[in-house]
Amino acid sequence: EADIYQTPRYLVIGTGKKITLECSQTMGHDKMYWYQQDPGMELHLIHYSYGVNSTEKGDLSSESTVSRIRTEHFPLTLESARPSHTSQYLCASSGTGSGNTIYFGEGSWLTVV
Amino acid sequence: SQQGEEDPQALSIQEGENATMNCSYKTSINNLQWYRQNSGRGLVHLILIRSNEREKHSGRLRVTLDTSKKSSSLLITASRAADTASYFCATVLNTGGFKTIFGAGTRLFVKA
Repeated sequence: EADIYQTPRYLVIGTGKKITLECSQTMGHDKMYWYQQDPGMELHLIHYSYGVNSTEKGDLSSESTVSRIRTEHFPLTLESARPSHTSQYLCASSGTGSGNTIYFGEGSWLTVV
Repeated sequence: SQQGEEDPQALSIQEGENATMNCSYKTSINNLQWYRQNSGRGLVHLILIRSNEREKHSGRLRVTLDTSKKSSSLLITASRAADTASYFCATVLNTGGFKTIFGAGTRLFVKA
């Protein structure tokens, strides 16, 4: 069982609202990731971090932002949510060694109405 | 085509049958991994095979890797209804930072 936690699991918010999806891991992993996944579709990497104060944009452009102030915490923020942001957001982490095995949280389902 | 393409996109079998999923990739890899995702949940790591390995087993899972063809297969033997899920291959590249690329996944339905 992976020690990576996401909150909230489900969220319905109105257009224009600001939201933050929380992600924490207790494995001491340096690398953390955010993926966006529509139901039944492939994963798209939107942000990643290789350590504290390091953040990079992923392969899919996203209007969200991230921060990495502490090793264990990697929150994702949408300043002004739109219906096009409706999706599942998966947080993940990986450590050194183990061939970069990635551990995923349970996901946050965001619906913007 | 993308790195880490899988086929078939979907597979429907009866309980007790074997399920085979394939993954092809384009660039040199450090290792290849398979993950499972139950509906509405996160991905769970199943098995890792390194570039110098050809076959690996874990319980009812058998993974093969052919680096000359840049392809891998995941075999689930004696499938169960509980194996119903999406299965993703992930290629870990031989670059600094071990960039990992996920395929689009194969959706497996096992009918009881």
